[in-house]
Amino acid sequence: DVKVTQSSRYLVKRTGEKVFLECVQDMDHENMFWYRQDPGLGLRLIYFSYDVKMKEKGDIPEGYSVSREKKERFSLILESASTNQTSMYLCASRVWDNTEAFFGQGTRLTVV
Amino acid sequence: GENVEQHPSTLSVQEGDSAVIKCTYSDSASNYFPWYKQELGKGPQLIIDIRSNVGEKKDQRIAVTLNKTAKHFSLHITETQPEDSAVYFCAASTSGTYKYIFGTGTRLKVLA
Repeated sequence: DVKVTQSSRYLVKRTGEKVFLECVQDMDHENMFWYRQDPGLGLRLIYFSYDVKMKEKGDIPEGYSVSREKKERFSLILESASTNQTSMYLCASRVWDNTEAFFGQGTRLTVV
Repeated sequence: GENVEQHPSTLSVQEGDSAVIKCTYSDSASNYFPWYKQELGKGPQLIIDIRSNVGEKKDQRIAVTLNKTAKHFSLHITETQPEDSAVYFCAASTSGTYKYIFGTGTRLKVLA
């Protein structure tokens, strides 16, 4: 079975902190994603990576950056956390376009 | 821009009844339509998908129908069970692009 693992289930951070969310997949997938999930807004794409060191901005990239130094690992970075970044963050991977995306269990981040 | 509308936002049915969730997409080039189920505390998981060269697909109690002309697709769950209670997301995607466009989700409650 494909496994996508996010490093934390719950995180509480202070405003202004630099926050790292880590995601690892074990199926050699090319594509990896970071989504943000908020009630009534569905899943919104923050960043996408189609290969090592390659990235594309999604719909809501402001305040975020990403890093993909190895194929299996995709990190989301909040440069200076703000309260409006309190949310559920979901990582996903897939082998190629128009195929099943496999999601991690999510990280619920609270910024106080 | 591309958009997927999903209705209803909440749906309550009696155990054993059927449930239908409807989505409308805007991009006529979309050709892959997955449905994801998200249980409490978990990431979304694919339950069924359909490609644009097919009008209907079934998997046991779950079916998806696609009307390309109207740009509608629907999820049908028959003989609902309490374990079907979850949030369901539809999505649309296009070959050669990286994006899934997700609907805003439907919270299904199956009442015992």
